[in-house]
Amino acid sequence: DGGITQSPKYLFRKEGQNVTLSCEQNLNHDAMYWYRQDPGQGLRLIYYSQIVNDFQKGDIAEGYSVSREKKESFPLTVTSAQKNPTAFYLCASSQIPGQGGPLMIFGPGTRLTVL
Amino acid sequence: ELKVEQNPLFLSMQEGKNYTIYCNYSTTSDRLYWYRQDPGKSLESLFVLLSNGAVKQEGRLMASLDTKARLSTLHITAAVHDLSATYFCAVDKGNNDMRFGAGTRLTVKP
Repeated sequence: DGGITQSPKYLFRKEGQNVTLSCEQNLNHDAMYWYRQDPGQGLRLIYYSQIVNDFQKGDIAEGYSVSREKKESFPLTVTSAQKNPTAFYLCASSQIPGQGGPLMIFGPGTRLTVL
Repeated sequence: ELKVEQNPLFLSMQEGKNYTIYCNYSTTSDRLYWYRQDPGKSLESLFVLLSNGAVKQEGRLMASLDTKARLSTLHITAAVHDLSATYFCAVDKGNNDMRFGAGTRLTVKP
């Protein structure tokens, strides 16, 4: 079955540590995204990538970094510069418009807690 | 900057009743999406609306898009408890750059 996997499901971080959240998709989608969701809130865009080796900052990129070395993978690193990283992180992917449909699919999410 | 506003943010309704959730957005776009999120879960795609006047229906939910008014609606018919969830609309700014509304938390009471 095609889909998006995120790991780990739960992640605990000590202050001052960098952590990396994994996102993999086997949908052959070109575009991938990272969103952050705080309790009772909507989604805010952190970074997105439309093609391999290229990515753009979203609304809240400070304190985060990404890479897109492979089409299937878009890992997110939460650095120590992110002062309030406790949140639910959602990865998504979609096809470029005009190439079979723009439907955006979400992964199951990673819940990050800072201790 | 694209702003996406949903209302209401909280909605409590009786089973069997009808109601509409509204999604307004501030700049031109002809791609709008509706998602459902259950507590602690990820987002599930409900509808993709790609043109002015588009209408999609699935069960008790019907979504429509008016690009001239920059408005989409999600209409709930004869609500049932299973529809309790948070519903998000999302607008494509272009080039797959999506912006989400704050969500409407729907509670359907027996």
